[in-house]
Amino acid sequence: GDSVTQMEGPVTLSEEAFLTINCTYTATGYPSLFWYVQYPGEGLQLLLKATKADDKGSNKGFEATYRKETTSFHLEKGSVQVSDSAVYFCALRGDSSYKLIFGSGTRLLVRP
Amino acid sequence: ETGVTQSPTHLIKTRGQQVTLRCSSQSGHNTVSWYQQALGQGPQFIFQYYREEENGRGNFPPRFSGLQFPNYSSELNVNALELDDSALYLCASSSVGNRRTEAFFGQGTRLTVV
Repeated sequence: GDSVTQMEGPVTLSEEAFLTINCTYTATGYPSLFWYVQYPGEGLQLLLKATKADDKGSNKGFEATYRKETTSFHLEKGSVQVSDSAVYFCALRGDSSYKLIFGSGTRLLVRP
Repeated sequence: ETGVTQSPTHLIKTRGQQVTLRCSSQSGHNTVSWYQQALGQGPQFIFQYYREEENGRGNFPPRFSGLQFPNYSSELNVNALELDDSALYLCASSSVGNRRTEAFFGQGTRLTVV
């Protein structure tokens, strides 16, 4: 079945460092790919998405490119802030499906 | 602000009891999904409702059931609670069809079973 694999955390960075969180997926067809963010004590917020190969999703300085050849959707940010500290989830939705399949999440801690 | 609200925010129940969690969907959305997020894990799909009918279900037993009302609000009911049911339960609303939107999540209900 479809699945998502994320790099294990926690990821600890200093403010203004470059961030990469790896995400790979297994799916048939052409899934849509997502990054969600969860701040402490809150639900999930959609950060960005991409719906077809080579699409780049971007929001709030975060970017991720849909790479079908490597089945990857890595999250990047050029300069992280303390306020980016949260748990980040990679997810996919199958091309004929409605449910989201999530990775296990990667906790990011940004130090001042 | 997503407009999806869940109640209660926290709940403690005893093993064997029944619980009802509630969700108010974002205005204009016609679909609601429920997810279970165990501590330190990603959310797992429980089921989805569209036009008051369940139209998709994950790998959860029948003691997990739901309802969707004409105003698109929803309930998740869990019978015969087990300790492993302790988790954050997330509701997500969206629209399907011509005005499709992505899922917007509520803040969740933290259920603790003791």
